[in-house]
Amino acid sequence: SQTIHQWPATLVQPVGSPLSLECTVEGTSNPNLYWYRQAAGRGLQLLFYSVGIGQISSEVPQNLSASRPQDRQFILSSKKLLLSDSGFYLCAWSAGGNEQFFGPGTRLTVL
Amino acid sequence: AQSVTQLGSHVSVSEGALVLLRCNYSSSVPPYLFWYVQYPNQGLQLLLKYTTGATLVKGINGFEAEFKKSETSFHLTKPSAHMSDAAEYFCAVSRGGSNYKLTFGKGTLLTVNP
Repeated sequence: SQTIHQWPATLVQPVGSPLSLECTVEGTSNPNLYWYRQAAGRGLQLLFYSVGIGQISSEVPQNLSASRPQDRQFILSSKKLLLSDSGFYLCAWSAGGNEQFFGPGTRLTVL
Repeated sequence: AQSVTQLGSHVSVSEGALVLLRCNYSSSVPPYLFWYVQYPNQGLQLLLKYTTGATLVKGINGFEAEFKKSETSFHLTKPSAHMSDAAEYFCAVSRGGSNYKLTFGKGTLLTVNP
């Protein structure tokens, strides 16, 4: 069966510091991968998605970037965090155009 | 473009009462429709989905939803609420096939009162 992991589970970072969040998927190959941010009361915002190694599509201009160095690894990064980057970050995978399966999430607080 | 509207950001029911969470969508092609549930500080879990075929879809935890094309709706119901149903629920739509993205509604927080 497939599983999806995210780490860390929680993170508190100062403004201006770098960020690296990691997501890995097990039990499937060539998944579509997604990064979402969930801010309080604002639903889910799709940040990036990837249909293959090195292929990243950005949905909104922002302070973040994503990379996919391996088939089942998806990384969300920032060089300098802003207060507005605080939120709950969710990684998800899918096989084609069907349902997405979500990881447990990372709670990021920028102080 | 696709869109999802969830009517009511907060729904409160008594334990044992009917749960009805509303979802309307807009799509230029036959949609794929999904309901997800999110418990506090957790990821989203798929409750049920509609792709093609039978319009009444049954999911986990006793939930079901009916796809009504004429009303562009996909409302989620459960005959009898349980305390453990308290969570946030998200409706989502995709175009299916090679389209990779889901469009989510803003979510409905369900509270179950004893």
